[in-house]
Amino acid sequence: NAGVTQTPKFRILKIGQSMTLQCTQDMNHNYMYWYRQDPGMGLKLIYYSVGAGITDKGEVPNGYNVSRSTTEDFPLRLELAAPSQTSVYFCASSYEQSVNYGYTFGSGTRLTVV
Amino acid sequence: LAKTTQPISMDSYEGQEVNITCSHNNIATNDYITWYQQFPSQGPRFIIQGYKTKVTNEVASLFIPADRKSSTLSLPRVSLSDTAVYYCLVGSGTASKLTFGTGTRLQVTL
Repeated sequence: NAGVTQTPKFRILKIGQSMTLQCTQDMNHNYMYWYRQDPGMGLKLIYYSVGAGITDKGEVPNGYNVSRSTTEDFPLRLELAAPSQTSVYFCASSYEQSVNYGYTFGSGTRLTVV
Repeated sequence: LAKTTQPISMDSYEGQEVNITCSHNNIATNDYITWYQQFPSQGPRFIIQGYKTKVTNEVASLFIPADRKSSTLSLPRVSLSDTAVYYCLVGSGTASKLTFGTGTRLQVTL
């Protein structure tokens, strides 16, 4: 059982470049989330989705876009990379949208923008 | 979600019991208390959740006093592999905005 899979694991981007961080889960979870974690800090929610075709902004959505065409996949798009987007990005999923249920996280994508 | 306060860091020797306390003075009636563990270069992992009194699983125990304004995560006989950051979260309902603070960085040494 793979759980939540993120690709790539590492990436270096130049300022102004774009890229898509991939996230897929095989647990048939309706709810999926993207977080970023800056060094020594907690996680901040970027975007989340409550099901295919439905997405909403989190705490720090600026500079990012998402789509959810299937239950399994929730890609995160960076259109014009900036140094402030250097961070570790985590994708997560859950069976329900409630804190009463555990969230399953991927292993992260470490992104550096130079 | 209710605001939580945890120690920034803790040190322990292998084999000792470690207790990490989280303060959540404004916890709401319907709020649950959840703890996550994060190893370096990995995403957080759900370890335990409780509402009141005591909850125990194969990884840890969670103690919650009657007033629920704090909670204590207890790790029995820690090993080097328990070195991680531990996050305390408090909330309920459809809280899509799960908020992680800076957590408690536990360092276990020989």
